[in-house]
Amino acid sequence: QTVVTQEPSLTVSPGGTVTLTCASSTGAVTSGYYPNWFQQKPGQAPRALIYSTTNKHSWTPARFSGSLLGGKAALTLSGVQPEDEAEYYCLLYYGGAVVFGGGTKLTVL
Amino acid sequence: QVQLVQSGAEVKKPGSSVKVSCKASGGTFSTHSITWVRQAPGQGLEWMGGIIPMYGTANYAQKFRGRVTITADESTRTVYMELSTLRSEDTAVYYCAREFCSRTSCTFDYWGQGTLVTVSS
Repeated sequence: QTVVTQEPSLTVSPGGTVTLTCASSTGAVTSGYYPNWFQQKPGQAPRALIYSTTNKHSWTPARFSGSLLGGKAALTLSGVQPEDEAEYYCLLYYGGAVVFGGGTKLTVL
Repeated sequence: QVQLVQSGAEVKKPGSSVKVSCKASGGTFSTHSITWVRQAPGQGLEWMGGIIPMYGTANYAQKFRGRVTITADESTRTVYMELSTLRSEDTAVYYCAREFCSRTSCTFDYWGQGTLVTVSS
């Protein structure tokens, strides 16, 4: 069974920078896994932020960026705002299947 | 602008089935997959499967094969997810999402509002 692993929780100060990562139990994450990132706030549906490693949706704030880092997919928030406090999920494609990471709870403090 | 509107909350008995709908408006319906994702209380997101309405053949996560059926009605732009033999662990919010794929990318770009399914005796 394929497992996608994220940091359970991270804390960042307002205005700071934080990087969330997404690892695959099958080995290094590459662009072929089409890494996606989603933001979810309590009581809301997930919102797509990043797709296929680095691409932003039209509604994605400029402070969010995606990359590959040390064999993992990564989401970097630069100039963090209080409203960025949320749960963040990555998603990886494995052929015909999709697996979500367990999520990272980001606290802005 | 793509909108996905799901049916309302359900309360079901263990062993029964539930059928949740997802009606799409805006955008192209038939050529993009509608996928289903669930979230148990306090837990993460779990992909269940999806369907491209034009082709009518669904793709399911291994965990749910044999218990979930995803169908599409092109005439009403509606996709349905039916989960059978319900157990308490199936209590969750069920989301539909549009899966947009191009030659070099895939994403779940638009999401429904979610449908709470509660399984309780």
